[in-house]
Amino acid sequence: NAGVTQTPKFQVLKTGQSMTLQCAQDMNHEYMSWYRQDPGMGLRLIHYSVGAGITDQGEVPNGYNVSRSTTEDFPLRLLSAAPSQTSVYFCASSYSRIGGYEQFFGPGTRLTVL
Amino acid sequence: TQLLEQSPQFLSIQEGENLTVYCNSSSVFSSLQWYRQEPGEGPVLLVTVVTGGEVKKLKRLTFQFGDARKDSSLHITAAQPGDTGLYLCSGTYKYIFGTGTRLKVLA
Repeated sequence: NAGVTQTPKFQVLKTGQSMTLQCAQDMNHEYMSWYRQDPGMGLRLIHYSVGAGITDQGEVPNGYNVSRSTTEDFPLRLLSAAPSQTSVYFCASSYSRIGGYEQFFGPGTRLTVL
Repeated sequence: TQLLEQSPQFLSIQEGENLTVYCNSSSVFSSLQWYRQEPGEGPVLLVTVVTGGEVKKLKRLTFQFGDARKDSSLHITAAQPGDTGLYLCSGTYKYIFGTGTRLKVLA
């Protein structure tokens, strides 16, 4: 099992550009989520999905879109990149969103917006 | 508003010392998790605590869930350089995370 994979590992964008961060899991987990991690802020939830076709907003959703067409994939789209979106992005999956279940994290994507 | 506050934010200690980090909230959680994150990697689960007052031990790490299920602590005995990392607590409401405690253990 590869677990949770994320691509790319590093990305530099110019302000206004768009891009998609890829996330895939092979554990057949229902729940997937995207976080951003900034210094001193811990992990903040951007969007999450409780199953294919179902997504919802987290704490900091503005400027990001998600979709979940399959159980395995949960891409994160930046519509028009801004310097405030410079961060490290983590994708995670879990058996359930109810809580108490381990979240498995990908290795992260380090994004810089100039 | 951060629902989970962790303290201290930074901690630098010598190998062999003991330490305690805290995770506090005004909200009640049905369970709470502790993760450790090393540089360049995603967080990895250490433990899940479920019952108020519960104490769990993982080798030199001792985790406690408050009686009211609003707070938790992580105590490390005889810290080692391998314990260096970012320690994060996570509550069960939408899997929110605390602000983290960055620990550095010096040899």
